[in-house]
Amino acid sequence: AQSVSQHNHHVILSEAASLELGCNYSYGGTVNLFWYVQYPGQHLQLLLKYFSGDPLVKGIKGFEAEFIKSKFSFNLRKPSVQWSDTAEYFCAVSRSQYNNNDMRFGAGTRLTVKP
Amino acid sequence: EPEVTQTPSHQVTQMGQEVILRCVPISNHLYFYWYRQILGQKVEFLVSFYNNEISEKSEIFDDQFSVERPDGSNFTLKIRSTKLEDSAMYFCASRVAGGHNEQFFGPGTRLTVL
Repeated sequence: AQSVSQHNHHVILSEAASLELGCNYSYGGTVNLFWYVQYPGQHLQLLLKYFSGDPLVKGIKGFEAEFIKSKFSFNLRKPSVQWSDTAEYFCAVSRSQYNNNDMRFGAGTRLTVKP
Repeated sequence: EPEVTQTPSHQVTQMGQEVILRCVPISNHLYFYWYRQILGQKVEFLVSFYNNEISEKSEIFDDQFSVERPDGSNFTLKIRSTKLEDSAMYFCASRVAGGHNEQFFGPGTRLTVL
């Protein structure tokens, strides 16, 4: 079955620690890849996206992600997390830029950053 | 900056009642979506809508659900006879036609079925 997998359900880090959140997908063909963040009590916000080109994409707030096609992965990274990064992070995949492009989301990873 | 809006922010209803969740997509967007997120679970796709018809729907979107774009601005999700398990956060999203697929999400409506 086509799916999006996020391996970590809950990650707890201290401030200034480095972050890497895993995301793998099982769709074949051309995909668009996204990371969304959901701060407590707020709605989904786009962190970054990959459509084509350079597989290393930079997003807002110092986040970046790398698309590795051979591994069907799109891991999210940040060199030094802050307390304000505490949130739920969702990886999402859509299958083609030319069809309806409904997104499939991973289960989410809750990040808790301790001050 | 234009944004997707949703009303109400919180809807409480009795089991078996009909509810209508409203969304106002960004004005030049042509593709519309509904997603839901049951508390503590992942965001799940419900339905996509384009050119006044459903483009795709998930297995969750059964006969109890319907969508409509009654005028040029609103996009609604109707649940005909709510069940306890319909309690969730419902997100509307929209995007422009063509190009890359960045969907913009609304703040969500929290539906509580008692």
